[in-house]
Amino acid sequence: EVQLVQSGTEVKKPGESLRISCQGSGYNFGGYWIAWVRQMPGKGLEWMGLIWPGDSDTRYSPSFQGQLTISTDNSINTAYLQWNSLKASDTAMYYCARHVVYYSTGTDAFDIWGQGTMVTVSS
Amino acid sequence: QSVLTQTPSASGTPGQRVTISCSGSSSDIGSNTVTWYQQLPGTAPKLIIYDNDQRPSGVPDRFFASKSGTSASLTISGLQSEDEAEYFCASRGSNLNGPWVFGGGTKLTVL
Repeated sequence: EVQLVQSGTEVKKPGESLRISCQGSGYNFGGYWIAWVRQMPGKGLEWMGLIWPGDSDTRYSPSFQGQLTISTDNSINTAYLQWNSLKASDTAMYYCARHVVYYSTGTDAFDIWGQGTMVTVSS
Repeated sequence: QSVLTQTPSASGTPGQRVTISCSGSSSDIGSNTVTWYQQLPGTAPKLIIYDNDQRPSGVPDRFFASKSGTSASLTISGLQSEDEAEYFCASRGSNLNGPWVFGGGTKLTVL
């Protein structure tokens, strides 16, 4: 079964650091971009960035550039989302998602999603 | 504020047909394909439409989508209680917004 499994719920204080993970299985992890998507409480989805595990080529949304770091460890088929200094406004559900390209049409989508990691930042 | 505009809510009774709309611009929907995601309460989003109108394997043909110009729509026919969910449209965006942009979501209630 193709799946992405994310790390568990986190509760942190402002200023603390955090790294959450997303482990892929059932497919060639290095052959697909992995994206991170934020969903703030009661809000919509926001694309944060994505990474190509094969060479760690990373693209960030301008809204998130410089605020966090996306990385991977191919040896364990895992992507990461990391903050050095959390803010209360980082409180949200974070999803990783596999990016797929449909080569017959050249179109793309996010076809497999992790279950989400809830991050709460509160003093 | 989301780049793509969706009506916040929609409703219908079992068996009815309901349409959800998604409005963008020439930089996003007007230049790229649209995907739709279904988010059941308390779960992760699930891809239900790609390439404007294509259904992944396993998605019922009750779900129909189309795109015209800078707008797209998702129509669910034969509405069922298990269709109650939030629906998000998405497209590639202009460089200012990053490669992908989402709509704010439409909460579908099955009465």
